[in-house]
Amino acid sequence: QKEVEQDPGPLSVPEGAIVSLNCTYSNSAFQYFMWYRQYSRKGPELLMYTYSSGNKEDGRFTAQVDKSSKYISLFIRDSQPSDSATYLCAMKSSSGSRLTFGEGTQLTVNP
Amino acid sequence: DTGVSQDPRHKITKRGQNVTFRCDPISEHNRLYWYRQTLGQGPEFLTYFQNEAQLEKSRLLSDRFSAERPKGSFSTLEIQRTEQGDSAMYLCASSLVAGPSTIYFGEGSWLTVV
Repeated sequence: QKEVEQDPGPLSVPEGAIVSLNCTYSNSAFQYFMWYRQYSRKGPELLMYTYSSGNKEDGRFTAQVDKSSKYISLFIRDSQPSDSATYLCAMKSSSGSRLTFGEGTQLTVNP
Repeated sequence: DTGVSQDPRHKITKRGQNVTFRCDPISEHNRLYWYRQTLGQGPEFLTYFQNEAQLEKSRLLSDRFSAERPKGSFSTLEIQRTEQGDSAMYLCASSLVAGPSTIYFGEGSWLTVV
């Protein structure tokens, strides 16, 4: 079983929709949680970073972490065609250095 | 641009040839990472350096792979005797040791082995 599970999609939504992206994980040592956006044939771009449990909001993006359920989410409000990309969740422990990634969810926002 | 820089962006090589990728991290970052990503998968950790010391290597990093970071600045990743299974995007990333140590990635180097 993978340490981080992420539904690969693809997910297709109309412009303006609220998008919910999710990951589950099994390693209780994970303390730092990140969401990266990756456009085709480009490197991952850091979107959101949270530590431990709770919510964090940045513009149209909200990241949630529920450590009791080992479940993290990224919400995108008022989605735009420019949000079409692959979204990767990643996490690491406080003592570790490496990130463990999900396999990514491919999102398409249709005009 | 002060982001992570990788070169070359694309490389096509014949099976059995050696290839080398270069990474220049964000200037004040003392940690440097190499990841590999294949189509439809998330990046997988290969190795990381803190300054010039290589502190961790994944079991994915076979003996045909070698990474260096002389003087704790840029890094190179060399693949010897390339195989078709080495075809992937090789991503470099960097971070600070202190603080949240969020990790920033470069644009990647695409390798195609024919």
